[in-house]
Amino acid sequence: GESVGLHLPTLSVQEGDNSIINCAYSNSASDYFIWYKQESGKGPQFIIDIRSNMDKRQGQRVTVLLNKTVKHLSLQIAATQPGDSAVYFCAENNSKGNDYKLSFGAGTTVTVRA
Amino acid sequence: NAGVTQTPKFRILKIGQSMTLQCTQDMNHNYMYWYRQDPGMGLKLIYYSVGAGITDKGEVPNGYNVSRSTTEDFPLRLELAAPSQTSVYFCASSRGGDRTTEAFFGQGTRLTVV
Repeated sequence: GESVGLHLPTLSVQEGDNSIINCAYSNSASDYFIWYKQESGKGPQFIIDIRSNMDKRQGQRVTVLLNKTVKHLSLQIAATQPGDSAVYFCAENNSKGNDYKLSFGAGTTVTVRA
Repeated sequence: NAGVTQTPKFRILKIGQSMTLQCTQDMNHNYMYWYRQDPGMGLKLIYYSVGAGITDKGEVPNGYNVSRSTTEDFPLRLELAAPSQTSVYFCASSRGGDRTTEAFFGQGTRLTVV
């Protein structure tokens, strides 16, 4: 069955360094992969998505990389700031199969050290 | 622009009681979702709707019911509350189509069943 999971449950990063958050997926039929950020006490917030026909997409201070060969997704955050401390979830969607759902992984907690 | 609004924010229920979690969105989104999030875990889909009058089960629908009589509202009903339903509940909406991946979440309802 499909599953979206993350390699590590926690990540500690020095302020100013780059962060890399990893995710493995198993559903080859998914055509969109997404990253969400959840700050303490709040609902998840969309960060960026990438379509399966791409291998890289950049946003503001973030880059998502997709490696379909090994079914791996990563989120890179440049110059990590204290406001980046949150739980990060990867998710997937299969729009071709008229799948209107997002399937979420367990999350990686990122802590930024001052 | 309020986005997705959930009420109440907190609630304590006794075993066997019933309640309705309210969710409303003012973005004219077609798709709406209910997720639950257990401590330290990802989000599990309970029910979703792709438009008024249409609802469908997600991963964990047992013990819950939904209705979608209008585009704006998507209430979640808990019948005969059980301790296993202690969780944080998130309502979300998305425009659908090529923007299915960008879901907007409410602040959550923290429910405790004792």
